[in-house]
Amino acid sequence: EADIYQTPRYLVIGTGKKITLECSQTMGHDKMYWYQQDPGMELHLIHYSYGVNSTEKGDLSSESTVSRIRTEHFPLTLESARPSHTSQYLCASNSGRSDTQYFGPGTRLTVL
Amino acid sequence: DAKTTQPNSMESNEEEPVHLPCNHSTISGTDYIHWYRQLPSQGPEYVIHGLTSNVNNRMASLAIAEDRKSSTLILHRATLRDAAVYYCILSPPTSGTYKYIFGTGTRLKVLA
Repeated sequence: EADIYQTPRYLVIGTGKKITLECSQTMGHDKMYWYQQDPGMELHLIHYSYGVNSTEKGDLSSESTVSRIRTEHFPLTLESARPSHTSQYLCASNSGRSDTQYFGPGTRLTVL
Repeated sequence: DAKTTQPNSMESNEEEPVHLPCNHSTISGTDYIHWYRQLPSQGPEYVIHGLTSNVNNRMASLAIAEDRKSSTLILHRATLRDAAVYYCILSPPTSGTYKYIFGTGTRLKVLA
């Protein structure tokens, strides 16, 4: 069973607010990812990290930013949320020895 | 990055086998074939993966065509809990990032 956690599971906020979506894993995985998924649509990679102090932008442009100060923690931040940011955000991780990705339960974000 | 093609949706009766097809005609010689599924309101979960030979695990079987241009995920006895979106994904073995490209997947409906 995967040990990857996301908080909050659901978030409803007003436009202009700064938010941070948390993602933690206890498996010691060096690679971590953030995906964005609109309802009924495919997942799009928005950020990934090879390890501590390593972050890269994914295939889908996003106004969010990420940081990787600790191996187990990969938070995503939106400085000023807008209704266009309404979506589900999924965090995943895998070790360097396997390309099987383990996903968290997701955070469903609604910006009013 | 190699892409995959899957039917948008399929239906199956409970307790019957289900064969979910995936075409990947541009697969390279070293790409692995992964299958994930996403239950409603959850993150994707790993199902199975393979390279050339057919694979079995407790969840499913993976049948890979001899030319590797297609594969089939086999659920031997579908249950209501198998209703999900199933994704077929390719990944190179040493990409360094294991960046998955998710398509729209196949939405499996299981009828009681």
